[in-house]
Amino acid sequence: AQSVSQHNHHVILSEAASLELGCNYSYGGTVNLFWYVQYPGQHLQLLLKYFSRDPLVKGIKGFEPEFIKSKFSFNLRKPSVQWSDTAEYFCAVNAQTGANNLFFGTGTRLTVIP
Amino acid sequence: SQTIHQWPATLVQPVGSPLSLECTVEGTSNPNLYWYRQAAGRGLQLLFYSVGIGQISSEVPQNLSASRPQDRQFILSSKKLLLSDSGFYLCAWREGEGEAFFGQGTRLTVV
Repeated sequence: AQSVSQHNHHVILSEAASLELGCNYSYGGTVNLFWYVQYPGQHLQLLLKYFSRDPLVKGIKGFEPEFIKSKFSFNLRKPSVQWSDTAEYFCAVNAQTGANNLFFGTGTRLTVIP
Repeated sequence: SQTIHQWPATLVQPVGSPLSLECTVEGTSNPNLYWYRQAAGRGLQLLFYSVGIGQISSEVPQNLSASRPQDRQFILSSKKLLLSDSGFYLCAWREGEGEAFFGQGTRLTVV
């Protein structure tokens, strides 16, 4: 079965600090990987995605993914965080072998201090 | 454009009472539909997903069930609620392997 691990439960940073959120998944086959973000009081929304059929991963809002296939990791980085990045971040994975489930990690709460 | 409706937004139910949460999607056909439970520190737990009418996959054993009577309708039910069923329930839809779109969520409190 697939599983997703996010080891940082709560990260507190000052503005302009660099961010790295870790995500590891357990599925050994071809996967699609996602980062979702939930800003305070808002829906979950997609931040970025990685599809193995289209391996060029594009960043958004200054966030950049780091995909290390050999380590089954799909980390999220940002060189300089802003107060507005305060949110909860979820990593998600689904396999491409026909199952359409979508598994999420436990989430990482990011608090950025002005 | 596609929209997803989930209701009610909040619900307080006594232990042992039945439950029915409804989710409908507009503007898409044959979506994959999902029910999640979100709990602090536990992320989103996938409860059920459906790839078509009448097709339900359950990810965790529990006191809940799901049904998909129509293409764009997904219902989460229970015959008898337990205290442990309290939580925040989210419905979501996807087209194939793409991005998932989430509803507003339902805060269920079992008393």
